[in-house]
Amino acid sequence: DVKVTQSSRYLVKRTGEKVFLECVQDMDHENMFWYRQDPGLGLRLIYFSYDVKMKEKGDIPEGYSVSREKKERFSLILESASTNQTSMYLCASSLATSFFYEQYFGPGTRLTVT
Amino acid sequence: AQSVTQLGSHVSVSEGALVLLRCNYSSSVPPYLFWYVQYPNQGLQLLLKYTSAATLVKGINGFEAEFKKSETSFHLTKPSAHMSDAAEYFCAVMGQAGTALIFGKGTTLSVSS
Repeated sequence: DVKVTQSSRYLVKRTGEKVFLECVQDMDHENMFWYRQDPGLGLRLIYFSYDVKMKEKGDIPEGYSVSREKKERFSLILESASTNQTSMYLCASSLATSFFYEQYFGPGTRLTVT
Repeated sequence: AQSVTQLGSHVSVSEGALVLLRCNYSSSVPPYLFWYVQYPNQGLQLLLKYTSAATLVKGINGFEAEFKKSETSFHLTKPSAHMSDAAEYFCAVMGQAGTALIFGKGTTLSVSS
């Protein structure tokens, strides 16, 4: 079974702090994604990566950056956390061999910025 | 551009009743469509996917969905609801770039005994 793990289930940070959210997948997937989930808004794509050191902006990249130094690991960085970044963050991964693939999701990190 | 619209943010059914969750899509190319389920405090799990092989798609836990091109719909159904089906359900379409999914806003399913 594919496994996507996220470093924390719950995280509380203060405004202005630099925050790192880590995601690791164990199935050698090329693609990795970071989504933000808010009530009534569904999932919105922040960034995705289709290869090591490659990244693409999603729909809401402002205030975020990412890093992918190894194929299995994709990090989301909040340079200076703000209260409007309080949310659930979901990481996902997928193969890149065809359009038929599915995305596999981690359990999520619920981030609270105070 | 691709998009999906889920009709109804909240659906309530009785145990044993039919479940119908609605999804309409917009796509400039033949769509690849997905339904995911999210149980409380968990990540998303794939229920089923449409990849043009068959218009009626069967998924896990007794769910199925029918692709109707004329109606641009991909509604999710289950003949008999179970208490364990209570969760949030997301419809998604493959983005035009072929890498990222575009999700609907979700429908919360409640099941009462």
